[in-house]
Amino acid sequence: AQSVTQPDIHITVSEGASLELRCNYSYGATPYLFWYVQSPGQGLQLLLKYFSGDTLVQGIKGFEAEFKRSQSSFNLRKPSVHWSDAAEYFCAVGAQGGSYIPTFGRGTSLIVHP
Amino acid sequence: DVKVTQSSRYLVKRTGEKVFLECVQDMDHENMFWYRQDPGLGLRLIYFSYDVKMKEKGDIPEGYSVSREKKERFSLILESASTNQTSMYICASSHNRLAVVHEQFFGPGTRLTVL
Repeated sequence: AQSVTQPDIHITVSEGASLELRCNYSYGATPYLFWYVQSPGQGLQLLLKYFSGDTLVQGIKGFEAEFKRSQSSFNLRKPSVHWSDAAEYFCAVGAQGGSYIPTFGRGTSLIVHP
Repeated sequence: DVKVTQSSRYLVKRTGEKVFLECVQDMDHENMFWYRQDPGLGLRLIYFSYDVKMKEKGDIPEGYSVSREKKERFSLILESASTNQTSMYICASSHNRLAVVHEQFFGPGTRLTVL
């Protein structure tokens, strides 16, 4: 069975600073990988996903993520954070040819200082 | 605009009451999910349904049941609400085509308080 670890419970950055949120997974083959964002009072929304191909994935709102097989990681990045990016971020992994149920990390709460 | 809607944003119930949470999706998705979200614990899967009348237990099914009589509707039932079921309940849906784990679409959540 697959598992996901988001090592950082909270991250605080200043507006305009760069951001990297970490996600590590455990799975024997190439997984399906997702990042979702949950803004205050909103439902979770897909930021980006990786299924195959180019390991650098572009998403919405200026986010990108890089799949690194050797490190079993799928870290989320943004070059310049805006105050509206303050939210909860979830990494999720799905198994190929298996269950349709993805496994979620526990989430990272992003705090943005003005 | 695709949507997953939940019957209530906020709900207050008393211990022992039977509680129904309803979820409707308009995307003709085969899969539907019920999650519970608590601080520090992320999303925990309660139940999953991959077709009408089909269901699978998730990680924390105790104290809950589900019903899926129509493809677009997935109901979560708390048979006898308890205070430890105070939480945010989130519904989601996705396709199950081609044996791929597709992206999920989420409802806004129902914040349930059990007194």
